[in-house]
Amino acid sequence: GQNIDQPTEMTATEGAIVQINCTYQTSGFNGLFWYQQHAGEAPTFLSYNVLDGLEEKGRFSSFLSRSKGYSYLLLKELQMKDSASYLCAVRDGDYKLSFGAGTTVTVRA
Amino acid sequence: SQTIHQWPATLVQPVGSPLSLECTVEGTSNPNLYWYRQAAGRGLQLLFYSVGIGQISSEVPQNLSASRPQDRQFILSSKKLLLSDSGFYLCAWRGEQGNQPQHFGDGTRLSIL
Repeated sequence: GQNIDQPTEMTATEGAIVQINCTYQTSGFNGLFWYQQHAGEAPTFLSYNVLDGLEEKGRFSSFLSRSKGYSYLLLKELQMKDSASYLCAVRDGDYKLSFGAGTTVTVRA
Repeated sequence: SQTIHQWPATLVQPVGSPLSLECTVEGTSNPNLYWYRQAAGRGLQLLFYSVGIGQISSEVPQNLSASRPQDRQFILSSKKLLLSDSGFYLCAWRGEQGNQPQHFGDGTRLSIL
């Protein structure tokens, strides 16, 4: 089976940096996605990693180490609107994604 | 640009009643289509996916079924709803290339009474 682990909750202050870790043990690996989901809404795509290293997109960066089965999403210069759940998802075959349970990030003023 | 439409947004149904949720995609051809369920505070559980018209793969045994009568239409159905079918149902599409992300519809919040 697929095992994808993320912390349940994190709290940080506006303007700070938060790092959300994701570890995975899957039967295959064809890439890792991060999604943002605000309460009551659908997930929206943030980033994709398939090779080791860091991908940067503005205030958000995502890192992957395939040998360690590990990824993190880095959120910089936190804003109140960044309060949301962040989902790590692994593509382990051609078509499907396996999702972690999500990390709820709360940004405090 | 591509868009995905999912309806209804909310639905309240009695136990034992039937269900039909519809999802359509515009602006793309031959998309991969997906149905997920998300229980409160939980991750996304893949229910069904389809790589073409009439092709349905089921991930979890349950009293739900899916159909893809047209290239860009994906329907989730049940003949008799159970209390455990309550949840947030999400439809998603993806292009043919595997490195493309899945894009989600706005979801249907289903409550079973």
